Amino acid sequence: DGGITQSPKYLFRKEGQNVTLSCEQNLNHDAMYWYRQDPGQGLRLIYYSQIVNDFQKGDIAEGYSVSREKKESFPLTVTSAQKNPTAFYLCASSIDRLGTYGYTFGSGTRLTVV
Amino acid sequence: AQSVTQPDIHITVSEGASLELRCNYSYGATPYLFWYVQSPGQGLQLLLKYFSGDTLVQGIKGFEAEFKRSQSSFNLRKPSVHWSDAAEYFCAVGAGNQFYFGTGTSLTVIP
Repeated sequence: DGGITQSPKYLFRKEGQNVTLSCEQNLNHDAMYWYRQDPGQGLRLIYYSQIVNDFQKGDIAEGYSVSREKKESFPLTVTSAQKNPTAFYLCASSIDRLGTYGYTFGSGTRLTVV
Repeated sequence: AQSVTQPDIHITVSEGASLELRCNYSYGATPYLFWYVQSPGQGLQLLLKYFSGDTLVQGIKGFEAEFKRSQSSFNLRKPSVHWSDAAEYFCAVGAGNQFYFGTGTSLTVIP
């Protein structure tokens, strides 16, 4: 079945470390997105990519980086510059570049700083 | 500016009771409208969507939603709630080249 796979489901990071969250889709969707979810704050857009080798900052891009070398993959790196990285991270994709037909979501990665 | 408002942060209903979750949007034209559900620790699952046509749309798990242009609303309803419906519900709007989420409504179901 087609879908979005996020790994790992749980991730622990030490202070000062960079960590990379994986997101893979086999839906042949053009666009991919990364959201951060904190209790009571809904979903906040970190980065998005509409085509391979191109990506745009969202509302809270500071301390994060992404790449889109392949259509099916959109990894997110949480750098040491992100001061409060503990959160639930969701990857999504949309069939078109604008995303107006809706998103398909992965099951999320919970990142905890220890 | 476009926006999506879910006025109820948290709702508690008894099992078997009816449910209505409110969603209002701000956009000049008719947007594409969605409802998603999120169980704890999981991603978001699409419940239903409205693009055009019949303003009453049916979704999965017995949910339905009605688009009311005059009220800029897209409220989610279910006639009889089950304990497994306890989750977070998000309204979303596709407008122009952007996609906006509401802040969510948390649903608690009591026996």
